[in-house]
Amino acid sequence: DTGVSQDPRHKITKRGQNVTFRCDPISEHNRLYWYRQTLGQGPEFLTYFQNEAQLEKSRLLSDRFSAERPKGSFSTLEIQRTEQGDSAMYLCASSPRVESLNEQFFGPGTRLTVL
Amino acid sequence: LAKTTQPISMDSYEGQEVNITCSHNNIATNDYITWYQQFPSQGPRFIIQGYKTKVTNEVASLFIPADRKSSTLSLPRVSLSDTAVYYCLASGYSTLTFGKGTMLLVSP
Repeated sequence: DTGVSQDPRHKITKRGQNVTFRCDPISEHNRLYWYRQTLGQGPEFLTYFQNEAQLEKSRLLSDRFSAERPKGSFSTLEIQRTEQGDSAMYLCASSPRVESLNEQFFGPGTRLTVL
Repeated sequence: LAKTTQPISMDSYEGQEVNITCSHNNIATNDYITWYQQFPSQGPRFIIQGYKTKVTNEVASLFIPADRKSSTLSLPRVSLSDTAVYYCLASGYSTLTFGKGTMLLVSP
């Protein structure tokens, strides 16, 4: 399967702990996105990369959140000092650089539960 | 980014055609209209995209009137497996802004 993969699929942590998620995009895609989705809501944009450059960050991305994409391949999303409000599904997506196409390929997500 | 409005839920039966309408009154000139489908515990999946008039692919059709203030996703002969949340987006080609979507329930 050459789709977008995310690891882990589920994470349970205690409030105050740090967590890190990994996303492996489709190999030829140079754009990578992170979204967060809570129950009953659509995905909310967090940040996106073009190759290794982080080009846009949502104001939802507080200073406890940091994302990296070293070498323009896989990406990590770290949440420091987790809070119960961070509980959500974290989705990663990738896309090729096609200016007229909004087709993003989503991974299965990482479900985070903060106790 | 243009805000979209679509019904919260819709019900249908197997074999029927389903039309989901979305309004985007403030759509910008360079925005595209894109529809995604999402099943529980999965990421969204791209269905179709259009700018104006009609677009058809193997899964659905998208109708966009000349003023582009609304669009209609048409799913021909739905099956039980089409039960999902459908999102309408009006945005440029980078970040996507999802609303709450339309929950489509297909019954036997």
